Amino acid sequence: QLQLQESGPGLETPSETLSLTCSVSGGSISSTSYYWGWIRQPPGKGLEWIGSVFYSGRTYYNPSLKSRVTISVDTAKNQFSLKLSSVTAADTAEYYCARGCYDSSGYEREFDPWGQGTLVTVSS
Amino acid sequence: DIQMTQSPSSLSASIGDRVTITCRASQSISSYLNWYQQKPGKAPKVLIYSASSLQSGVPSRFSASGSGTDFTLTISSLQPEDFATYYCQQSYSTPVTFGGGTKVEIK
Repeated sequence: QLQLQESGPGLETPSETLSLTCSVSGGSISSTSYYWGWIRQPPGKGLEWIGSVFYSGRTYYNPSLKSRVTISVDTAKNQFSLKLSSVTAADTAEYYCARGCYDSSGYEREFDPWGQGTLVTVSS
Repeated sequence: DIQMTQSPSSLSASIGDRVTITCRASQSISSYLNWYQQKPGKAPKVLIYSASSLQSGVPSRFSASGSGTDFTLTISSLQPEDFATYYCQQSYSTPVTFGGGTKVEIK
């Protein structure tokens, strides 16, 4: 059964770069059948897609964050990572990694499963 | 960006009630609509994908329908474990967007 686990610092200083890693177990991150994504949720609020990375290395980012986001894959470690630069208090959120699924036509579909999430607080 | 609007934002219901949640997209998204359930302190879990397909392992009291811009999620007989927040999500175009959520509470 595929499992995802986020890791990284729980506290970031304003203006610094947030770095998180998602470790994938029970399956290969190199599979062409799936893609991988980051989603975040500020405390008490809704879900915001940050970006996704595909087996080819192609990435798509939310335009609202694009200038600050980098998502990359490390196939040797079966991990993918998120970097978000110049963080502010508005970036305080639970950060989730998830596997993205395709439909039979190759279009993106749901995220399943998700990691348990990691809370990142931005504060001096 | 495609805006996803859920209604209601919250509701109170009793065990055994039939509950319906709606999700409206700001433009047509065909059937690229997914529904998630999130319990406090937990990650979202997919219930429905492609507008009406029940994810494996999800109880059959959950059903969904719709296409284009209007979608519904129905719980036929609310159970204690169903009290949670429900989100719709469109995967039709980038950026992926989620509805604001519907919190289902105990009456």
